[in-house]
Amino acid sequence: SAVISQKPSRDICQRGTSLTIQCQVDSQVTMMFWYRQQPGQSLTLIATANQGSEATYESGFVIDKFPISRPNLTFSTLTVSNMSPEDSSIYLCSALGLAGNTDTQYFGPGTRLTVL
Amino acid sequence: RKEVEQDPGPFNVPEGATVAFNCTYSNSASQSFFWYRQDCRKEPKLLMSVYSSGNEDGRFTAQLNRASQYISLLIRDSKLSDSATYLCVVESGGSYIPTFGRGTSLIVHP
Repeated sequence: SAVISQKPSRDICQRGTSLTIQCQVDSQVTMMFWYRQQPGQSLTLIATANQGSEATYESGFVIDKFPISRPNLTFSTLTVSNMSPEDSSIYLCSALGLAGNTDTQYFGPGTRLTVL
Repeated sequence: RKEVEQDPGPFNVPEGATVAFNCTYSNSASQSFFWYRQDCRKEPKLLMSVYSSGNEDGRFTAQLNRASQYISLLIRDSKLSDSATYLCVVESGGSYIPTFGRGTSLIVHP
């Protein structure tokens, strides 16, 4: 499997500020996704990051709150804007289509965000 | 009804035990099924895909029952290192957008 890295690995932020999380894959992938996982809960898909176009957001998530970029096939960013304590969560990047395997998702290590 | 449902557990079993988890899904058009493992404070990692004919990987056996719309994971001879949360994942209609279950927590004790 390919390597997916995220940074920062964790951060503590003040409410009202914004944080940008970066996700880097060491090989080209067809699809990239951003998830949120709150304590004791499963993963919730935020959006699909589309290369060269606007991300596709799931119900309950909007671009103004979670702007996403994907300038190429190996890199994406997620910004958590105007943060509140409710945004405290683990944010996970994932990739599909690694090494010709089109139906298996691989995950980055996650970014643990705490908003005070 | 949730799209993908799992018993959250925890399942608390002794070493060497056999344990089985089920996961039900609501979309009959679902096509791809997986089990992921997530350790505490770590990202999910693929454990195994679930094929129509069932598949086995060492101590782990996964099966699919399309008629009843569930998948199962059987772990034989449990090890302490099997303690983790097991996530059921279902993909529907070729969209490659997966739906995750809430996960089943397994605790294997000495």
